Amino acid sequence: DVKVTQSSRYLVKRTGEKVFLECVQDMDHENMFWYRQDPGLGLRLIYFSYDVKMKEKGDIPEGYSVSREKKERFSLILESASTNQTSMYLCASYRFPGYTFGSGTRLTVV
Amino acid sequence: DQQVKQNSPSLSVQEGRISILNCDYTNSMFDYFLWYKKYPAEGPTFLISISSIKDKNEDGRFTVFLNKSAKHLSLHIVPSQPGDSAVYFCAASANSGAGSYQLTFGKGTKLSVIP
Repeated sequence: DVKVTQSSRYLVKRTGEKVFLECVQDMDHENMFWYRQDPGLGLRLIYFSYDVKMKEKGDIPEGYSVSREKKERFSLILESASTNQTSMYLCASYRFPGYTFGSGTRLTVV
Repeated sequence: DQQVKQNSPSLSVQEGRISILNCDYTNSMFDYFLWYKKYPAEGPTFLISISSIKDKNEDGRFTVFLNKSAKHLSLHIVPSQPGDSAVYFCAASANSGAGSYQLTFGKGTKLSVIP
């Protein structure tokens, strides 16, 4: 089974901090994704990548950036954390027919 | 503009009865549909899928029905169990053939199964 591992389950950061969320998959998948989940808003796509060093903006990229230096690792970066970025962050890797998600990172920005 | 819609934010069902979760879509290019289940503080897990060439797919207590002409799909859970209480996301894909792949998700329906 594909495993998608997110480095932290819970994080608390201060406003203005630079935050790194790490995601690693173990099946050599090309496509990886970052979502955030908020009540009533469902899953919203932040960024995705379909190859090393390639990235594409999703629906809500503002305030975020990503890095994909190696195929197995896709990092989400909050350049200057704000309270409205408090959310559940979900990383996913694709293999037909759908995604395998990581366990999620609950980020709280205070 | 939402391409995948789950119009019921929540649903309550008695244990042992049938749960029916609905999903509508607008993009006629979607050719594959999936349901994911999500517990609090966990990532979504794949539940069941269906290709647009089929109208039904069954896996144990879970059955997904697809009505292409109505652009509607539904997930049936029979019989419902308390452990089925979770948020269910409907998702759809259209193979872009451009080397990237992306699912479009609905906003989810929170199912509560009452013992």
